[in-house]
Amino acid sequence: QKEVEQDPGPLSVPEGAIVSLNCTYSNSAFQYFMWYRQYSRKGPELLMYTYSSGNKEDGRFTAQVDKSSKYISLFIRDSQPSDSATYLCAMSAYGAQKLVFGQGTRLTINP
Amino acid sequence: GAGVSQSPSNKVTEKGKDVELRCDPISGHTALYWYRQSLGQGLEFLIYFQGNSAPDKSGLPSDRFSAERTGGSVSTLTIQRTQQEDSAVYLCASGATGGIGELFFGEGSRLTVL
Repeated sequence: QKEVEQDPGPLSVPEGAIVSLNCTYSNSAFQYFMWYRQYSRKGPELLMYTYSSGNKEDGRFTAQVDKSSKYISLFIRDSQPSDSATYLCAMSAYGAQKLVFGQGTRLTINP
Repeated sequence: GAGVSQSPSNKVTEKGKDVELRCDPISGHTALYWYRQSLGQGLEFLIYFQGNSAPDKSGLPSDRFSAERTGGSVSTLTIQRTQQEDSAVYLCASGATGGIGELFFGEGSRLTVL
């Protein structure tokens, strides 16, 4: 079993929809949770960063962490075609240097 | 440059040949990572360098893979006697604070082994 599980999709939704992306993990030591966005043939770029549990909002994006359930989510409101990309969750433990990534979910927003 | 630079962007090689992939990290970043991204497999950790510390090689899949980082800056990932299963995108990332901070990725080197 992988440390981080993420549904690879693909996920296709109409423009304006609310998108929910999720990851589960097994390592209870993880405390730093991130979402990276990767456009086709580009490197991933950091989208959201959360420490421990709770919510974090940045514009149309909201990241949620539920450590009791070992479950993290990324919500995209008012989705736009420019949001079409692969979204990768990533996490690490305190004092650890290795960032563990999920498989990535390929998202398409249809105009 | 302002970002992480990788070369070559594309490499096609024959099975059994050796390849070298280069990464030029962001100036001043002490942490440097190599990841491998295969189709539908996410990012697989390969190796991590932090300053002058011994590298974390725990993700290298076999002894055909090696990496070095010279002068705390440029890194080279070498794959000897390439196999078809080595075909993937090899991504380099650098960061100021290692695994708990933001990583900045290059665009990757796409390796195809025929």
